[in-house]
Amino acid sequence: QVTLKESGPGMLQPSKTLSLTCSFSGFSLSTSGMVVSWIRQPSGKSLEWLAAIDWDGDKYYNPSLKSRLTVSKDTSNTQVFLKITSVDIADTATYYCARSTHPYYWGQGVMVTVSS
Amino acid sequence: DIQMTQSPASLSASLGETVTIECLASEDIYSNLAWYQQKPGKSPQLLIYDASSLQDGVPSRFSGSESGTQYSLEINSLQSEDAVTYFCQQHHDYPFTFGSGTKLEIK
Repeated sequence: QVTLKESGPGMLQPSKTLSLTCSFSGFSLSTSGMVVSWIRQPSGKSLEWLAAIDWDGDKYYNPSLKSRLTVSKDTSNTQVFLKITSVDIADTATYYCARSTHPYYWGQGVMVTVSS
Repeated sequence: DIQMTQSPASLSASLGETVTIECLASEDIYSNLAWYQQKPGKSPQLLIYDASSLQDGVPSRFSGSESGTQYSLEINSLQSEDAVTYFCQQHHDYPFTFGSGTKLEIK
């Protein structure tokens, strides 16, 4: 059974760095062709794809946010991380991680609020 | 970036009717398109992958098709539980862009 679960700080102040963790089971990121993505969704709005990392360690970023994003994975290939630097109110959203290799699975999401 | 133009933004239909939601890709995405259903407060759930393949467990009243760079999601025999939001996503090229969403309401 494939599951993904996001975790994060819940709330942080503007200008800080947001660190998110995606813990997954039921598959390994070391499997050829496997990709895990990060996506976010402000309340009531559409989805925005942020970044991805593949089984070979190659990283892909949304060009509009690339300078602020860092995606990485752990050596056991069961966790993926996302860091977003210099957050502001516009980064308030629910953040999802998802397996982007068919069949596609999404985590339940974690809400992050940026507020002073 | 590949732009996904989704229409309509909202849609109202009666129970039992058939509705169609469309996504127009700004370039060829070679059928690398997924349709998701999202219920309030929940993560998106996959309905259709590779433009027209029905995900396991999804009712057969959902179907996907394509014509050039235009992709369509059809929902037949509309039921009350279908009144939620739908998104398309291309996964042909990074960044994997989404459509803006369609909110379906029951009259």
